[in-house]
Amino acid sequence: QQQVKQSPQSLIVQKGGISIINCAYENTAFDYFPWYQQFPGKGPALLIAIRPDVSEKKEGRFTISFNKSAKQFSLHIMDSQPGDSATYFCAATISNFGNEKLTFGTGTRLTIIP
Amino acid sequence: DAGVIQSPRHEVTEMGQEVTLRCKPISGHNSLFWYRQTMMRGLELLIYFNNNVPIDDSGMPEDRFSAKMPNASFSTLKIQPSEPRDSAVYFCASRVYRGRTGELFFGEGSRLTVL
Repeated sequence: QQQVKQSPQSLIVQKGGISIINCAYENTAFDYFPWYQQFPGKGPALLIAIRPDVSEKKEGRFTISFNKSAKQFSLHIMDSQPGDSATYFCAATISNFGNEKLTFGTGTRLTIIP
Repeated sequence: DAGVIQSPRHEVTEMGQEVTLRCKPISGHNSLFWYRQTMMRGLELLIYFNNNVPIDDSGMPEDRFSAKMPNASFSTLKIQPSEPRDSAVYFCASRVYRGRTGELFFGEGSRLTVL
């Protein structure tokens, strides 16, 4: 059962452009939505995260937009750079005092071309 | 600081053989997770431990899979007997129990190929 749906599966963006990755969730009990970044041959690493009490969170060139009513959230990468080329995973969890389980999307392979 | 350490990094085996994957979590982290990554299904949680105790193993595919955490610095994931459909990258991740919500520290993974 896919609780977090991610799209697109792959994305090619020109250097300097905006990369947008979308996720949708089903479980309305989810209350924490992190994004992970994975480079080839490495494990995923936390990039940025948001709680549903805000509609947007920005850290540098990375922004999460959150739409609670639509049960959707997205990652925007502004001024995309070749170093941003990686696989990105959205995730969701229910805060539970240490017993959280992250449910991941299927990932988006992002390629930034010069 | 050393991160999560997994071994082996690559394993090629034949169907029916036993496979053991190993993980050393970050010192001081007392929650440990095993994930499996495939192209089709992405990252799937197999099992996780808090303070060496298995909390949820509902993601373990079948009885051929087992995981143990005998102490705070070591965990194993065993597949016996292995099958070609078990081919995947297996990740171990750790965190501080009741630490920052949703922040897992992943190892570099063990790529398993079952022929």
